[in-house]
Amino acid sequence: KQEVTQIPAALSVPEGENLVLNCSFTDSAIYNLQWFRQDPGKGLTSLLLIQSSQREQTSGRLNASLDKSSGRSTLYIAASQPGDSATYLCAVTYTGANSKLTFGKGITLSVRP
Amino acid sequence: GAGVSQTPSNKVTEKGKYVELRCDPISGHTALYWYRQSLGQGPEFLIYFQGTGAADDSGLPNDRFFAVRPEGSVSTLKIQRTERGDSAVYLCASSLLRQPGNQQYFGPGTRLTVL
Repeated sequence: KQEVTQIPAALSVPEGENLVLNCSFTDSAIYNLQWFRQDPGKGLTSLLLIQSSQREQTSGRLNASLDKSSGRSTLYIAASQPGDSATYLCAVTYTGANSKLTFGKGITLSVRP
Repeated sequence: GAGVSQTPSNKVTEKGKYVELRCDPISGHTALYWYRQSLGQGPEFLIYFQGTGAADDSGLPNDRFFAVRPEGSVSTLKIQRTERGDSAVYLCASSLLRQPGNQQYFGPGTRLTVL
């Protein structure tokens, strides 16, 4: 079964800390992997999309890496801020899956001032 | 330009009633997806349209759920005989091209509450 796992479910850190959010997936046959942000009661905002041929993508303080062979991705957030508090979701497009996204349950991040 | 919009933003209904949820994709996007997100879970795929036809409806949980996209733009998700377990946020997404793995743009969702 093609699954995406995110552990832990919640994380609390002090402001200014660099942090890493983990994502694992069960099948290496993927088109791409995306990281989304979701604020309470809101929709999904795409943060970074990594194609299967890429190793990493960067946007501002965010860096996402992809290791297909081990079935892992990490989202690195530098110098965290209280405004980074949200749920971060990892999603994979598996090949042969008609472009549908398979999501993890998300990691709820709280950055304490 | 305008993003994906969904109406209503909130819908409260009674068990057994019929509901319709609407999605307006980004103009020109040929692919449209519906997902359902229960509390504390990630979104789960329901159905995918390419143009007017449902290319993959394998995620629809049962025959009470149905979706249409008659003109290849706006889509409506229809739920008959609603049950309390149908309560969730229903998310719609669209993408521009046919190629698998193209970025999907999400709407704000419709929060459905079945009493």
